[in-house]
Amino acid sequence: AQKVTQAQTEISVVEKEDVTLDCVYETRDTTYYLFWYKQPPSGELVFLIRRNSFDEQNEISGRYSWNFQKSTSSFNFTITASQVVDSAVYFCALSETNFGNEKLTFGTGTRLTIIP
Amino acid sequence: EPEVTQTPSHQVTQMGQEVILRCVPISNHLYFYWYRQILGQKVEFLVSFYNNEISEKSEIFDDQFSVERPDGSNFTLKIRSTKLEDSAMYFCASRGSGLAVATQYFGPGTRLTVL
Repeated sequence: AQKVTQAQTEISVVEKEDVTLDCVYETRDTTYYLFWYKQPPSGELVFLIRRNSFDEQNEISGRYSWNFQKSTSSFNFTITASQVVDSAVYFCALSETNFGNEKLTFGTGTRLTIIP
Repeated sequence: EPEVTQTPSHQVTQMGQEVILRCVPISNHLYFYWYRQILGQKVEFLVSFYNNEISEKSEIFDDQFSVERPDGSNFTLKIRSTKLEDSAMYFCASRGSGLAVATQYFGPGTRLTVL
């Protein structure tokens, strides 16, 4: 069975600091996808990034970067120069390739608070 | 940009009543999902739907739940006899076909409150 662990329940940092959100996953599949979603106070789930299991290249998108390491089953997310608008709950999620399904298994989320 | 929409945004109902939550997935998507998030907890998979039938359902999705795609645009979740513990945010999601489009896009959610 697949499992996603986000050990950090809550993180608070002062604006402009960098912050890293940790995600560790478990799966028996060799082919799978990893995701990060953001849930702002308004409640919707906003897709941020998807990585497949064959692509371990790190990715940078503006102030966001992701570090995928299969050797440690981790997919960490870093926000550089944090801003108040980054305050949200961030969920890491995993889907195994199961044609017609690909259900998402979510972690418990990390509540990030950026202090102005 | 295409998006998933859900109605209503908030539904209040009495225990034992039936509710129908409605979703309009992104128009060219073929796979549809419902998830649930109890307040302050993680998002949990309920059911996936493809080609007019359920692909997979979780243990949560018992006989009181059903899904339907009544026409070419809507995707509904029905809870036949609501319980207090059904109070949660319900999210609909959809995705396109093929591995290249594996991302699920979520609607804004329907907050269900059972009194």
